[in-house]
Amino acid sequence: AQSVSQHNHHVILSEAASLELGCNYSYGGTVNLFWYVQYPGQHLQLLLKYFSGDPLVKGIKGFEAEFIKSKFSFNLRKPSVQWSDTAEYFCAVAGSARQLTFGSGTQLTVLP
Amino acid sequence: GAVVSQHPSRVICKSGTSVKIECRSLDFQATTMFWYRQFPKQSLMLMATSNEGSKATYEQGVEKDKFLINHASLTLSTLTVTSAHPEDSSFYICSAREGTGRHTEAFFGQGTRLTVV
Repeated sequence: AQSVSQHNHHVILSEAASLELGCNYSYGGTVNLFWYVQYPGQHLQLLLKYFSGDPLVKGIKGFEAEFIKSKFSFNLRKPSVQWSDTAEYFCAVAGSARQLTFGSGTQLTVLP
Repeated sequence: GAVVSQHPSRVICKSGTSVKIECRSLDFQATTMFWYRQFPKQSLMLMATSNEGSKATYEQGVEKDKFLINHASLTLSTLTVTSAHPEDSSFYICSAREGTGRHTEAFFGQGTRLTVV
């Protein structure tokens, strides 16, 4: 069975600070990795995804994530956050069954 | 990206009644639909996976007689919470995939907030 662990439950940053959200997964086979964002009152949106190839993946709104296979990690980064990045962020993994397993989520609050 | 519409967005029902939630893929045919439940300040928990024209596959611990899932067409799946109780109050989210390929993305509905009183 696959599982996903997000270490930070709530992160508070000031605008222009750099962001890194941790994500570790557990799965024995080939995985597809995702980061989703849920803005207040809105539905989940895909930020970025990794299937294969370059382990550094660039997504929307300046976000990127790096797949480190040896560490079973897929951390999300952004060099300079904005107030509008305040949202909940979910890491997810899909194994051979194609269904998504989500981490517990990280609430990001960016202070203006 | 593709659009998945979920209806209603919010529903309040009395204990003992049934509630139906619809999930529609608006601009693509959804081969597979997934139903999730999200508790406050927690992650999404997969409840069941449904493929068009076949019975849903339920995750361990999810009562199939309580949470009825129908995926009768390639654009519509429904989740019916039967004989609802206050502990069924939660946020229910559907997602849909167009194909079964490894790179097929899942798109999410906006969710349904169910409150059972």
